[in-house]
Amino acid sequence: EDQVTQSPEALRLQEGESSSLNCSYTVSGLRGLFWYRQDPGKGPEFLFTLYSAGEEKEKERLKATLTKKESFLHITAPKPEDSATYLCAVLNDMEYGNKLVFGAGTILRVKS
Amino acid sequence: SAVISQKPSRDICQRGTSLTIQCQVDSQVTMMFWYRQQPGQSLTLIATANQGSEATYESGFVIDKFPISRPNLTFSTLTVSNMSPEDSSIYLCSVTPGHASGEQYFGPGTRLTVT
Repeated sequence: EDQVTQSPEALRLQEGESSSLNCSYTVSGLRGLFWYRQDPGKGPEFLFTLYSAGEEKEKERLKATLTKKESFLHITAPKPEDSATYLCAVLNDMEYGNKLVFGAGTILRVKS
Repeated sequence: SAVISQKPSRDICQRGTSLTIQCQVDSQVTMMFWYRQQPGQSLTLIATANQGSEATYESGFVIDKFPISRPNLTFSTLTVSNMSPEDSSIYLCSVTPGHASGEQYFGPGTRLTVT
């Protein structure tokens, strides 16, 4: 069974203090790994898709990387507006129908 | 990406009643999905709804409890039937514009409280 584990569960940073969030996965053939941001009371907002080991994607202060067993979301010089829950999800290449399996998320708080 | 709206945004319902949640997309999409997010937890897929076919339910979810309609390529409904306090959750619909990419885009969610 596909599994996604995110760590840490919660992370508190000072503004400008860079860090990384981890997403480790067990899947029988990865078709894609997805990062989402979720603000309280809202639906998840799509950030990145990674398809193969070694791939990297960037958006503003965020950079996502992928290896064969895990993905990292690096946050460089975060600002308070980066505070949110970050969700990781995987898509199995054996699964027809685009069924995503989500991790529990990392709650990020950035203090000014 | 796609713009997705849900109605209602929130509701408070009595035990034993039913609530129908609507999901509207601004473009035609083949696949629509319904998720549940219980307080403090991540997303769990309830079912996949494709236009012109019966919805496919995940383990632990049944059609009698969560009937789904998908009358066209831009609209779907999820009904939460015979509600109990355990059904209090956020219900989210999502769509995937392209089958190959796997990317899903989510609506704003419906926050349901059952008393």
